[in-house]
Amino acid sequence: DAGVIQSPRHEVTEMGQEVTLRCKPISGHDYLFWYRQTMMRGLELLIYFNNNVPIDDSGMPEDRFSAKMPNASFSTLKIQPSEPRDSAVYFCASSSGLAGVHGELFFGEGSRLTVL
Amino acid sequence: AQSVTQLDSHVSVSEGTPVLLRCNYSSSYSPSLFWYVQHPNKGLQLLLKYTSAATLVKGINGFEAEFKKSETSFHLTKPSAHMSDAAEYFCVVRGYSSASKIIFGSGTRLSIRP
Repeated sequence: DAGVIQSPRHEVTEMGQEVTLRCKPISGHDYLFWYRQTMMRGLELLIYFNNNVPIDDSGMPEDRFSAKMPNASFSTLKIQPSEPRDSAVYFCASSSGLAGVHGELFFGEGSRLTVL
Repeated sequence: AQSVTQLDSHVSVSEGTPVLLRCNYSSSYSPSLFWYVQHPNKGLQLLLKYTSAATLVKGINGFEAEFKKSETSFHLTKPSAHMSDAAEYFCVVRGYSSASKIIFGSGTRLSIRP
């Protein structure tokens, strides 16, 4: 399997622009997670899905952030409008519920976002 | 509720010497515990996981960790450090159901001196 695939790997944009980050989970995985990593705050869980349904979005910073999972093989994280404080590395991860509590997360390589 | 504490934000060792990265957890139930490694500009990769089958868990690249319930610890060790081990390491706890939150520690940066 190709693993979790994220795009773009790097994004530089200007404040106020819309940013869309994309993720393709590992085939057959029914959990998908979006994390944000910064030096100041470390790894933060933004939202996670089970069977394409958002289960917990309490980590989404504010209404400027939204995430969707239209099907089992694709998810997006959108920021509109973007702000400099959104600059971070955004990770997507997937896991299989069949593995239960022992199932590990498989991470993508991350999308590094810089908002000027 | 679960929580995890990595006791050192930065550890520096000389190449060829032992590595010890400390992790303490709190969980109301028997947890699943994991160690992940993150090399610069890369995603997180699973090193090893504790699934209650054995208290001493062996992982990739010569790392291992011992689950000690009495001490609520899951420290990561390696007998001999290699330059390629320089990375950020995360201890992770997961609750008793697959829907439970996955809690990441704050990370320990491991530096290797030549």
